[in-house]
Amino acid sequence: EADIYQTPRYLVIGTGKKITLECSQTMGHDKMYWYQQDPGMELHLIHYSYGVNSTEKGDLSSESTVSRIRTEHFPLTLESARPSHTSQYLCASTGFFEAFFGQGTRLTVV
Amino acid sequence: SQQGEEDPQALSIQEGENATMNCSYKTSINNLQWYRQNSGRGLVHLILIRSNEREKHSGRLRVTLDTSKKSSSLLITASRAADTASYFCATPQGNRDDKIIFGKGTRLHILP
Repeated sequence: EADIYQTPRYLVIGTGKKITLECSQTMGHDKMYWYQQDPGMELHLIHYSYGVNSTEKGDLSSESTVSRIRTEHFPLTLESARPSHTSQYLCASTGFFEAFFGQGTRLTVV
Repeated sequence: SQQGEEDPQALSIQEGENATMNCSYKTSINNLQWYRQNSGRGLVHLILIRSNEREKHSGRLRVTLDTSKKSSSLLITASRAADTASYFCATPQGNRDDKIIFGKGTRLHILP
């Protein structure tokens, strides 16, 4: 059982609201990732971090931002949610090779 | 851009049959991994094969890697209903293999 947690599991929010998706891991992993998954299931890397105070944008451009102040915590923030942000967001971390995933946050912006 | 491209996109087979999924990638890799995802939940790691390995087994799973063709295959033998899921290949990218890039996945449906 992976020790990586995402909250909330589901979120329905109005357009223009600021939201933060939480991701925490207790495995002491340096590398953490955020993926956005389409309904058609392709995963897109939107942010990653290889340690505290180090974050990089992924291959898919995203209006979200991330921070990595502590090793265990990698929150994702949307300053102003829009319907185009409706998707599933998956957080992951890696030790050496294997990625461990949280259960995901399904975001719906209405 | 996506590194791994799986085919087929979807596969339906009878329970007990073998399922084979393929993955192609574009750049040199140190390893390739396969993951499973049930019903839109988080992905679960299945198996890793290193670039100097050609075949690897884990239970009913068999993975092959052909670095000359930049391709890998995942074989699930004696399929079960519980194998119904989406399967993804993934490769590390970047200078420090910091990014793990996933393919589009294969949706596998096991028919009773």
